[in-house]
Formats: sequence, structure tokens, C-alpha cells
Amino acid sequence: EAQVTQNPRYLITVTGKKLTVTCSQNMNHEYMSWYRQDPGLGLRQIYYSMNVEVTDKGDVPEGYKVSRKEKRNFPLILESPSPNQTSLYFCASSSWGTSQETQYFGPGTRLLVL
Amino acid sequence: SQQGEEDPQALSIQEGENATMNCSYKTSINNLQWYRQNSGRGLVHLILIRSNEREKHSGRLRVTLDTSKKSSSLLITASRAADTASYFCATDPLSNFGNEKLTFGTGTSLTIIP
Repeated sequence: EAQVTQNPRYLITVTGKKLTVTCSQNMNHEYMSWYRQDPGLGLRQIYYSMNVEVTDKGDVPEGYKVSRKEKRNFPLILESPSPNQTSLYFCASSSWGTSQETQYFGPGTRLLVL
Repeated sequence: SQQGEEDPQALSIQEGENATMNCSYKTSINNLQWYRQNSGRGLVHLILIRSNEREKHSGRLRVTLDTSKKSSSLLITASRAADTASYFCATDPLSNFGNEKLTFGTGTSLTIIP
């Protein structure tokens, strides 16, 4: 089954404790991205990657890092989480950028930073 | 700032009625996409309409695009309880060349009353 998986689905952590949210897709997609969703703000893009070893900032990259060492994986790293990073995070992938067809979204990771 | 803004923010209708939601955007686009999100879950792609298209259908969905007014509408006909969800428009700005990303609106929350 074609899908995007994220782990963990739920995470509670404390300020400053480094964490990684994993994202993996099994569709051989070149393009992957991370979004955060906050009430009243919709989805905002954090980082995206056009292919292996190619990443770029989205609209709200501060406080986040990503890497793309393999085509299927695109982890999101919070080196020193802060309470304002409490949010619902989504990973997405597509076969080519956003001008082509469907963006496939993962199920989401709900993060609470205390 | 958000490229797309959905209207209304919330909509409640009786099962069987048609639901219409609108999306306005600010800059010229390559395409516009509509997504559905069930509560707290990942987004699901519904339909993509390109800038040179005016109308597109998919099952009970009809999407129109008016590039002169920079607006799009999503019509769901013969609504069902399962259509209860949030609906988002996402735009792929024409200025995106070399910076592939979608910009999402804040969504319309649709409730279908059985």
C-alpha cells in the first residue's frame, strides 16, 4: 500500500531535549516536505526536499533541521524544542514538486513541548 | 501571510444538501488543489485544477477556478455525514520556479447534520 508513515504519532517532551520525528514513504517520490498545523494558521511549510541531499527552507524553518540522506526518509529534527513548537506536524511527499499531481500526507505527529 | 483564504470558516448543512466553499488567493498560480482533513488526521488530496482550466469534476465534487478574480470554489453535491471534515485549498504560486511549495489556506470546517 502506498503510504507515508510518521513516528512517533504522539510525543510529549520538555524544553531543550532534542528529538527527531521520522518520515518515510514507499512510493519512490523525489519530493518530501514537512508542515506544521496550528489553529487559525492552517498548514505552514517548515522544510522541503526536492531529492536526496537537496533541502530548502519553507516558511517557518526556525528551530528545525532536516536531512535527506535516502530517498525514502526525511526526518525532522528539533535540536532544542521550545513550547512554541507545540503543534501538529505532517510529512508529505509527491513524485515531482507541487506542480504535478497528488501530495501524499502522513497521519501526523502531535507534539507537546512542556 | 497565507496565500489562500477559505470562506466560510465554518459551514453546517443538512445531509443531502449541497455544500459550497470558496478560496481566494493573492498571486498568480500554476495550479490550485483542494484537500480534505478528518479531525486530527492527515490531509487527503481531492482534486487539482490547473490555471488554464475553469472547471473540474470528480464524483460528487466540482471545482471551479476564476483566475481573473483569483478565486476557486469547491462544491460537494448530495452531502453525506462522511463528508464532515475540514477542507483546505492550496496554491502553487507562479513565482514558485526553483522553490517548489504549496501554500495552504486556513480551511473551512464542514459539518453535515444527519
